[in-house]
Amino acid sequence: RKEVEQDPGPFNVPEGATVAFNCTYSNSASQSFFWYRQDCRKEPKLLMSVYSSGNEDGRFTAQLNRASQYISLLIRDSKLSDSATYLCVVIITGTASKLTFGTGTRLQVTL
Amino acid sequence: EPEVTQTPSHQVTQMGQEVILRCVPISNHLYFYWYRQILGQKVEFLVSFYNNEISEKSEIFDDQFSVERPDGSNFTLKIRSTKLEDSAMYFCASRSQGLDNSPLHFGNGTRLTVT
Repeated sequence: RKEVEQDPGPFNVPEGATVAFNCTYSNSASQSFFWYRQDCRKEPKLLMSVYSSGNEDGRFTAQLNRASQYISLLIRDSKLSDSATYLCVVIITGTASKLTFGTGTRLQVTL
Repeated sequence: EPEVTQTPSHQVTQMGQEVILRCVPISNHLYFYWYRQILGQKVEFLVSFYNNEISEKSEIFDDQFSVERPDGSNFTLKIRSTKLEDSAMYFCASRSQGLDNSPLHFGNGTRLTVT
């Protein structure tokens, strides 16, 4: 079983739509969680950390469900500039803050 | 805003040749990393480096790979004898602290093509 699993997509949505991505992780010792964004052939960039109580940053909302070992990202009012690959990332306890990446979910926002 | 810089942006080499990928982390950062991403695949951890030594490495980081911080600013990844399967995007990253919530800053990567 993969350490971090994501639906690769692509998710094709019209501008203004709300879209949600899920991610599951297999290691119960995972302690920190993040969403990164990666544009085509570019470096990953931190979008937001995911906190146990859930957190919001503008149009983006992240949730963590430790019991079911999944993380979600909700994007409201999608914009063309949101088109990218969204990477689910975890840090497992005792791994010196090493990031473990999912394969990413590709989002394409269209007119 | 300070950046992690990597050179070259694209390196083409023949199988069996040695390559050195260069990175200049953000100046006050203490923790350094190399990741790679084969085209169409996920980002994979290679190695972490702190206090002039490797703190962790993955199975990918075999004897063909080495890292060095030759001076106060550069952080290099050397591949001694490249293989076709080493073709990938290599990302350097740094952070100021070894804490999970200390943001990891990635460089814009070096695309390595082994022919």
